[in-house]
Amino acid sequence: QVQLQESGPGLVKRSETLSLTCSVSGASISSFYWSWIRQPPGKGLEWIGYISDTGSTIYNPSLRSRVTIAVDTSKNQFSLKLTSMTAADTAVYYCARASYYYGDWGQGTLVTVSS
Amino acid sequence: QSVLTQPPSVSAAPGQRVTISCSGSSSNIENNYVSWYQQFPGTAPKILIYENNKRRSGIPDRFSASKSGTSATLGITGLQTGDEADYYCGAWDSSLSAWVFGGGTRLTVL
Repeated sequence: QVQLQESGPGLVKRSETLSLTCSVSGASISSFYWSWIRQPPGKGLEWIGYISDTGSTIYNPSLRSRVTIAVDTSKNQFSLKLTSMTAADTAVYYCARASYYYGDWGQGTLVTVSS
Repeated sequence: QSVLTQPPSVSAAPGQRVTISCSGSSSNIENNYVSWYQQFPGTAPKILIYENNKRRSGIPDRFSASKSGTSATLGITGLQTGDEADYYCGAWDSSLSAWVFGGGTRLTVL
């Protein structure tokens, strides 16, 4: 059974960079695709991007200039960096195992952007 | 505005059947797999249906889904109060080269 757990700061200042980590257990990080998905309070799901088993990445066009997703195979983790944070980036951030669908999700972590 | 269009809300009485629609285009629903997710407040989404109409292990057969052209539909029969949740459809969009979700549908069991 694949388990994912997000970690990172719950509060980020406006214009700073968000860094989140997703720790994976029950699966090798090198064998699957992995994604970040976010959900602003009271709103729907927004796909941020994914990283493949070979390390290639695809990002949401609306966030592409600010996003980096990377893998750390030694720790079986993958990460998200989102630069130039604004209030519009306040959301619950989920990590998930990507396929033709999203079958395994982390519990999510709320990130609030403060001024 | 979401690439996939869902009704904001649907409602039905316990025991009844409800359907939730998801409308897209040839670049997403028509030519790629559709999946459906259930989300309760304060929790992560959970996969219900994948590859258009396959139930994830453990999902009751009260949940079903279909796809026709640029639209997909989630059906829930024998509604229970425990089915009250938000439901999302999702698919890969080949034109955007991005995964897209519907805006979500709030199901109320009256």
